[in-house]
Amino acid sequence: QVQLVQSGAEVKKPGASVKVSCKASGYSFFTSYYMHWVRQAPGQGLEWMGIINPSGGSTTYAQKFQGRVTMTRDTSTTTVYMELSSLRSEDAALYYCARGGYDVLRPLHYWGQGTLVTVSS
Amino acid sequence: DIQMTQSPSSLSASVGDRVTITCQASQDITNYLNWYQQKPGKAPKLLIYDASTLERGVPSRFIGSGSGTDFTFTISSLQPEDIATYYCQQCDNLPLTFGGGTKVEIK
Repeated sequence: QVQLVQSGAEVKKPGASVKVSCKASGYSFFTSYYMHWVRQAPGQGLEWMGIINPSGGSTTYAQKFQGRVTMTRDTSTTTVYMELSSLRSEDAALYYCARGGYDVLRPLHYWGQGTLVTVSS
Repeated sequence: DIQMTQSPSSLSASVGDRVTITCQASQDITNYLNWYQQKPGKAPKLLIYDASTLERGVPSRFIGSGSGTDFTFTISSLQPEDIATYYCQQCDNLPLTFGGGTKVEIK
């Protein structure tokens, strides 16, 4: 079965960067399915951050995160990464990776378990 | 960006009741509308996609309908395990956007 396993919780100081990983397994053709990142602040709703095409590595980011977020992938380990820099207190949230479809605009059928990022001095 | 307006933000109903949540898009998204269920402490789970298609393994009491800008999500007979927050989400255009969520509780 499809599994997305994310890295563990992180505690960072304001101004630092965090890099979250998401290892995909249980399906063929890792490079065929777009991967998304979605975050959820405590007690709040879901916020889409961006998407990566594991095939060529192309990305599209939400304007809010442009310049601060970088999404990458390693096809040899079927892992995608999300790095967020210049962290501020408002970035404290649960970060999820989610697998989309063959096309950019498809539902998010599978989700990782989430990675909690705490930002505190 | 396409804005998704979901209502109500919370509701309380009895087991066996019919529960309805609405979602309105700020522009025509044809049928590119998905519904997710999120239980406390868990990742969201896709229930319905393309407005009305039930995800594999999801009980048939979950029903989606609508097109264009107005969509409805219905639980035909509320069960105790349905306690969760439900989100609509459009995938007509990037950035993907979500509704604010509806928290469903048992009365």
